[in-house]
Amino acid sequence: DQQVKQNSPSLSVQEGRISILNCDYTNSMFDYFLWYKKYPAEGPTFLISISSIKDKNEDGRFTVFLNKSAKHLSLHIVPSQPGDSAVYFCAAAVAAGNKLTFGGGTRVLVKP
Amino acid sequence: GAGVSQSPRYKVAKRGQDVALRCDPISGHVSLFWYQQALGQGPEFLTYFQNEAQLDKSGLPSDRFFAERPEGSVSTLKIQRTQQEDSAVYLCASSSLKGLADYTGELFFGEGSRLTVL
Repeated sequence: DQQVKQNSPSLSVQEGRISILNCDYTNSMFDYFLWYKKYPAEGPTFLISISSIKDKNEDGRFTVFLNKSAKHLSLHIVPSQPGDSAVYFCAAAVAAGNKLTFGGGTRVLVKP
Repeated sequence: GAGVSQSPRYKVAKRGQDVALRCDPISGHVSLFWYQQALGQGPEFLTYFQNEAQLDKSGLPSDRFFAERPEGSVSTLKIQRTQQEDSAVYLCASSSLKGLADYTGELFFGEGSRLTVL
């Protein structure tokens, strides 16, 4: 039973355009949502997060949107850069400090 | 270094061997998590420590898996009688407890230990 799903395994986008990554969840108890970025042979690194009391959080080129009624969140990267090429994981937690439940990841390729 | 350190980075074991994977978290971090990441999938939770107390081990797949953090800092994940399905990257992550007002849920991950069981 996958509680966090990323339905697009891969995404290809031209440099300078917008990348939109989607994530759906089933557990209504999830309270915090995070995006991690992973390069090959490295551990995941934290990108951006949002708590359930908000519907948007922005950090530079990265914006996360949360739609609680649809149990859906998305990550927007604009403008996309070649260095953004990586695997992006969506993750959720039921409470602060609690374990994270991850989606399966979306591989992003930004073409120069 | 200042980050989470894991060793060994790569481990090849014959089926039936025991392995031990080490995690050195960021100094002062109270919480420590172990995750298992199979090829092409997202990390899956194994177990969680707060200081030396193992508060959640619900993700350990079998009683062949055992984790400890005896002094509340370094942790070891031990896998007994390894099987081929144990082949994966084992990720360790740590975090500091923060107040709810500014908590981001961020975990700091190590580079992982890649286990291959032949």
